[in-house]
Amino acid sequence: GQNIDQPTEMTATEGAIVQINCTYQTSGFNGLFWYQQHAGEAPTFLSYNVLDGLEEKGRFSSFLSRSKGYSYLLLKELQMKDSASYLCAVRGGYDYKLSFGAGTTVTVRA
Amino acid sequence: AAGVIQSPRHLIKEKRETATLKCYPIPRHDTVYWYQQGPGQDPQFLISFYEKMQSDKGSIPDRFSAQQFSDYHSELNMSSLELGDSALYFCASSPSGGNTEAFFGQGTRLTVV
Repeated sequence: GQNIDQPTEMTATEGAIVQINCTYQTSGFNGLFWYQQHAGEAPTFLSYNVLDGLEEKGRFSSFLSRSKGYSYLLLKELQMKDSASYLCAVRGGYDYKLSFGAGTTVTVRA
Repeated sequence: AAGVIQSPRHLIKEKRETATLKCYPIPRHDTVYWYQQGPGQDPQFLISFYEKMQSDKGSIPDRFSAQQFSDYHSELNMSSLELGDSALYFCASSPSGGNTEAFFGQGTRLTVV
């Protein structure tokens, strides 16, 4: 099975940077995903890491260390609209389903 | 760009009734996943299909069944509905057998009364 941990809540100020950590223990590994989800809406794909290192996409970056079972999502220049839940999801090595962490609720304050 | 389409967006059913949720994946995506998300919870994997065959099964009740059709759309059939089945049901699709990004539809909100 998959064991995925991420903080429950984080609060940051508009314009600041926030880093959301995700640790995982999985039976095999075939990629780590970050999704943003606003309440009552569908998860929106943010990033996908399958190799170690940093992937940058505008204000969002995601890092992966497979040996440590660790990833983070970095949100820069925070905007009010970034207030949402951020879901870390892992694809196992023997199937292609995504297993989700419980999500981190990020609140951006003015 | 085309996205994953789910229908209906909202559905209200009574206990013990049956519901059918439909999912139309992004064109050329051959893999479909179904997830159930209760209030304040993370998405829970139900079932997935690759090239019209079931590829994986999660915590899907025996009262539920699903299939993927020749045009790659998928349907989730839910029978003997219970109050606890009230949730958001998401479908996601992925190309290349699921070995890359998965994109979610807008979901179907099922309310069982």
